[in-house]
Amino acid sequence: QKEVEQNSGPLSVPEGAIASLNCTYSDRGSQSFFWYRQYSGKSPELIMFIYSNGDKEDGRFTAQLNKASQYVSLLIRDSQPSDSATYLCAVKRDDKIIFGKGTRLHILP
Amino acid sequence: DAGVIQSPRHEVTEMGQEVTLRCKPISGHDYLFWYRQTMMRGLELLIYFNNNVPIDDSGMPEDRFSAKMPNASFSTLKIQPSEPRDSAVYFCASRETGRMNTEAFFGQGTRLTVV
Repeated sequence: QKEVEQNSGPLSVPEGAIASLNCTYSDRGSQSFFWYRQYSGKSPELIMFIYSNGDKEDGRFTAQLNKASQYVSLLIRDSQPSDSATYLCAVKRDDKIIFGKGTRLHILP
Repeated sequence: DAGVIQSPRHEVTEMGQEVTLRCKPISGHDYLFWYRQTMMRGLELLIYFNNNVPIDDSGMPEDRFSAKMPNASFSTLKIQPSEPRDSAVYFCASRETGRMNTEAFFGQGTRLTVV
């Protein structure tokens, strides 16, 4: 079992709708959780982090964490074509930051 | 701050040649990570340093790979000899210690092609 698992997609969502991205992790010792966005040919950039159970909102983005289920999600409201990218889930365990393979999101105009 | 700086941005080399990738972390960051990204395997952690000391190199694929961090502002990842399967984008990232939510900041990456 990989440490961080994501559905590779592509996930196609109409413009203006809610995009829901999911991630599971295997190590209960994981401490913090991150969502990075990566455009094609570019480096990953941080969108949000979360380390407490529950929801965390930042503009159109909401991160959700359920440590009991070892589950992290990212909701993108009012999806825009500029949101089309690969979204990487990452977990911090001890000093390391471990990434999933990412989910490709395509927003349909 | 200019962010994490990697060089070169692109490298094309012949199989069997030595390749050296370079990274300058953000000033004040005490952790440095080397990642490799491919379509098949995603973003893999190869090795990371804390205060210039290698902490975990379990992700280094084989002995052909080595990494050094001679000082707080410079690190290298060397592949000798290189093979076509080493073709990938190599990212360097840095972060500072102390907080739960401390993110890793990435350089622009080096796209390596071994022919």
